[in-house]
Amino acid sequence: GENVEQHPSTLSVQEGDSAVIKCTYSDSASNYFPWYKQELGKGPQLIIDIRSNVGEKKDQRIAVTLNKTAKHFSLHITETQPEDSAVYFCAARPVKTIFGAGTRLFVKA
Amino acid sequence: DAGVIQSPRHEVTEMGQEVTLRCKPISGHDYLFWYRQTMMRGLELLIYFNNNVPIDDSGMPEDRFSAKMPNASFSTLKIQPSEPRDSAVYFCASSQSGTGDFGEGSWLTVV
Repeated sequence: GENVEQHPSTLSVQEGDSAVIKCTYSDSASNYFPWYKQELGKGPQLIIDIRSNVGEKKDQRIAVTLNKTAKHFSLHITETQPEDSAVYFCAARPVKTIFGAGTRLFVKA
Repeated sequence: DAGVIQSPRHEVTEMGQEVTLRCKPISGHDYLFWYRQTMMRGLELLIYFNNNVPIDDSGMPEDRFSAKMPNASFSTLKIQPSEPRDSAVYFCASSQSGTGDFGEGSWLTVV
């Protein structure tokens, strides 16, 4: 079955810097890759997603890249702000969605 | 839109008791997912439904767990009997496609 690995598990950046979270997946049949942000005490919230026929997608300060050959995808957050502090999950879906273990992002003011 | 609504938000119960978690999906969404989140195992998909029919329940940990979706606007996840290791946050999500919109979760503690 699909296996999704996510790195790093914890990331600390200064406000205004960029943050990059990387994920790898194992099942070449995966064709949908969402990213979720989870704040304390709340459910995960979809922030951006990418499908396998696209290599990059951007939404304001957030971008995702996908390398299907290498089976890895990344989340890039530019000009980080304290409110970006949360746990971020990547996921991959061949048939059902498999989540990475999460990255706890701290943005220091 | 009210989003996915889960109840109860918090529950503390004694080992051996029956626990029922409830979910109201977003209207018009034909997929419904139940997830469990723990520190040790992260986010795990337990079961999902399409048009009220269970499609994949391979993530349901044991026979003590059961889920139903009697209609398009309601689903339950039941644990009977509950055990301390069932303590977790249980999320319901619904979607038309993709992974889904998550509810706020039901925080279950079994003592």
